[in-house]
Amino acid sequence: DAGVTQSPTHLIKTRGQQVTLRCSPKSGHDTVSWYQQALGQGPQFIFQYYEEEERQRGNFPDRFSGHQFPNYSSELNVNALLLGDSALYLCASSLAGIGTQYFGPGTRLLVL
Amino acid sequence: SQQGEEDPQALSIQEGENATMNCSYKTSINNLQWYRQNSGRGLVHLILIRSNEREKHSGRLRVTLDTSKKSSSLLITASRAADTASYFCATETNTGNQFYFGTGTSLTVIP
Repeated sequence: DAGVTQSPTHLIKTRGQQVTLRCSPKSGHDTVSWYQQALGQGPQFIFQYYEEEERQRGNFPDRFSGHQFPNYSSELNVNALLLGDSALYLCASSLAGIGTQYFGPGTRLLVL
Repeated sequence: SQQGEEDPQALSIQEGENATMNCSYKTSINNLQWYRQNSGRGLVHLILIRSNEREKHSGRLRVTLDTSKKSSSLLITASRAADTASYFCATETNTGNQFYFGTGTSLTVIP
């Protein structure tokens, strides 16, 4: 039973660039949530996708956008990167967005 | 802003001792979950306690929930060096499918 997978594992970008991160949910799960975790902090909720639509959104600017595909996998896009976007980006999947979330290993993004 | 706050921020104990960490939150919840994270990697789910439950056990873990005080505690008994990690509480609000994480407790278990 495959768990949550994310790609790439590491990424280095420069300010102003755009980045796309990918996530495949745990088998049988239909909901994907994205989190940003700055160094030494807890994860902060970016948004959640269910049935290919953004269902909930945290306090993040429109530079952060996402997409969910029919197979439930998801992408996180960040435009016009800032130095402060450097963080570990975590994807979590669940069933109908309820209860236990299962996390992927994360993508570490460094913006120079 | 994050809803949960863990206390203490850091905890260092000897192997075999018990470790207790606390979590406080602000709004009504559906459930509260505890996660472990090793060295900035992905989070591992430990235990979920629902808002109508007061105590739950899983192996060496014991979680309590006091909704009147909006607080929870995680007890790890007979700690091991492998328990060294950061521990986070996360609350699922009852107003939507959002999860809020605390700032975490960094636990070091000395062999």
